[in-house]
Amino acid sequence: QVQLVQSGAEVKTPGASVKVSCKASGYTFISYGLSWVRQAPGQGLEWMGWISAYNGNTNYAQKLQGRVTMTTDTSTSTAYMELRSLRSDDTAVYYCARETAQQLFDYWGQGTLVTVSS
Amino acid sequence: EIVLTQSPGTLSLSPGERATLSCRASQSVSSNYLAWYQQKPGQAPRLLIYGASSRATGIPDRFSGSGSGTDFTLTISRLEPEDFAVYYCQLGKTFGQGTKVEIK
Repeated sequence: QVQLVQSGAEVKTPGASVKVSCKASGYTFISYGLSWVRQAPGQGLEWMGWISAYNGNTNYAQKLQGRVTMTTDTSTSTAYMELRSLRSDDTAVYYCARETAQQLFDYWGQGTLVTVSS
Repeated sequence: EIVLTQSPGTLSLSPGERATLSCRASQSVSSNYLAWYQQKPGQAPRLLIYGASSRATGIPDRFSGSGSGTDFTLTISRLEPEDFAVYYCQLGKTFGQGTKVEIK
């Protein structure tokens, strides 16, 4: 069965960086892209960006350009999302999600809480 | 950029009642790419409907989707206790703001 398993919760100080991992199993990793979606406490879902697991092409949300980097390691079927220069409003649960050709998210990771606090 | 507006913000209903959730796009969109998700507290979203009207694997038939152009609807025919949650529509990189279905 398809599974996306994310790394554990993180606590960071403002200005620091965080790198969240998402290990995929149960399907051919390079056959799908992966998106990252975040959710601030009590808020809705915000798309952060997408990466092709096939060739590493990326597409980032404009508001995060310059602060976010998404990568994959095909040898371990793992995707990574790094966010730099963290601010308090980056506090959120971060999800990875498998994206289909119809641009929908059919499988999700369990989420990783990133807390940014001094 | 397309904006998705969901209404109402909160829907207060009793188990067994019918729920009708709306998602309106700021411009006409292809229904092929319109999806609905359910999210319960502390859980990741779950895909319910894709292509505006197709149920995802394992989704009960009390959930149905319809619509085209700018107006889309998610209907839950008879609410079960486990259906009380937040529902989001999605198109590409855009999500609606969500509708919370709560117990009346």
